[in-house]
Amino acid sequence: GAVVSQHPSRVICKSGTSVKIECRSLDFQATTMFWYRQFPKQSLMLMATSNEGSKATYEQGVEKDKFLINHASLTLSTLTVTSAHPEDSSFYICSATGFDRQSYEQYFGPGTRLTVT
Amino acid sequence: GEDVEQSLFLSVREGDSSVINCTYTDSSSTYLYWYKQEPGAGLQLLTYIFSNMDMKQDQRLTVLLNKKDKHLSLRIADTQTGDSAIYFCAERASGTYKYIFGTGTRLKVLA
Repeated sequence: GAVVSQHPSRVICKSGTSVKIECRSLDFQATTMFWYRQFPKQSLMLMATSNEGSKATYEQGVEKDKFLINHASLTLSTLTVTSAHPEDSSFYICSATGFDRQSYEQYFGPGTRLTVT
Repeated sequence: GEDVEQSLFLSVREGDSSVINCTYTDSSSTYLYWYKQEPGAGLQLLTYIFSNMDMKQDQRLTVLLNKKDKHLSLRIADTQTGDSAIYFCAERASGTYKYIFGTGTRLKVLA
């Protein structure tokens, strides 16, 4: 149980375009989802926290107009990177937690590798 | 501060034990996690320990916690080449969602 999936696993897009990454909880209701960014050989950096039906809370230094997060249902959150630039190339990982799982425990997705050319 | 620190690199021979160390900062009740990340993949939860415990063993994995020094270690017995990966420790204060991740330790197992 507590499976989180991400789609796509890998995406290449051209500079200036937008790309959407999906995060789904497959067997539980995710009341809260998290988006992380990981640069090569570095740790995970929390970008934002989203609660179902509410606006996301962004960490300091993360541009909310560039990284649009939608958490419209209890099983799906999306991260849209708008007007992508090469410096947005990174590994994006989502995680989810919910009341029907062990409270406050985060369950991580497999990650999405974004390359902006 | 919120720093969770780890040594960056560890190299061991196949069959030996590996010990990966981590120092954390929160002094209140805390969950401490060990995750494994293989190249190009997400995080795999290996084990976790609550801050009122001293030790937890799960098959080849042993977690030791020194609360006085805020030091956490992960011992992998009989290390195999498939254990080569990056290992992250993370702490989470009880009653909160926020995880603080360490810098990660890259484990290389030599055949």
